[in-house]
Amino acid sequence: AQSVTQLGSHVSVSEGALVLLRCNYSSSVPPYLFWYVQYPNQGLQLLLKYTSAATLVKGINGFEAEFKKSETSFHLTKPSAHMSDAAEYFCAVSVRTSGTYKYIFGTGTRLKVLA
Amino acid sequence: DTAVSQTPKYLVTQMGNDKSIKCEQNLGHDTMYWYKQDSKKFLKIMFSYNNKELIINETVPNRFSPKSPDKAHLNLHINSLELGDSAVYFCASSPPGGEQFFGPGTRLTVL
Repeated sequence: AQSVTQLGSHVSVSEGALVLLRCNYSSSVPPYLFWYVQYPNQGLQLLLKYTSAATLVKGINGFEAEFKKSETSFHLTKPSAHMSDAAEYFCAVSVRTSGTYKYIFGTGTRLKVLA
Repeated sequence: DTAVSQTPKYLVTQMGNDKSIKCEQNLGHDTMYWYKQDSKKFLKIMFSYNNKELIINETVPNRFSPKSPDKAHLNLHINSLELGDSAVYFCASSPPGGEQFFGPGTRLTVL
């Protein structure tokens, strides 16, 4: 069965510090992987996605993630946090099973940026 | 142009009432979804439709009934609303295996 685990429901970083949000997945077939961001009172929007091309994926707002098959991980990073990065972040996996795609979202990580 | 739209944005109602939430997407996607997000931000898939056909129906009370009149619309009707139904409901659409495009959400409050 497929699953997504986000370690740390809350992460706090200082402005200008490295952001690292962890995501591990479990899948018996090659997955597509996504990171989404949700700002307060808004829907989710895509930050970046991995679809079996380059393992290092660059997204919007300076975020990037690296697909590591050996570690079944897809951690999200940003070199320098901005106050505007404070939001909820969701990792998701999409797997093709029985002719359809099934999406599974992680439980989310709330990022707090300290001045 | 809004890609995925939902109406209403806010819905406040009494227990026992019946309500509907509408969703429309203009992206040409075949697949649409309904999600429920609780107060802890957990995102739970409720239904998935592909080209007007139900393909995923997670463990959801049968008081919830989705309807897809065409592949651009997926509405959610809820009968006999309960306090526990209070949440934010998101509609989304996607191409096969691709990223999901979310609507702005409908905040449902049951009193």
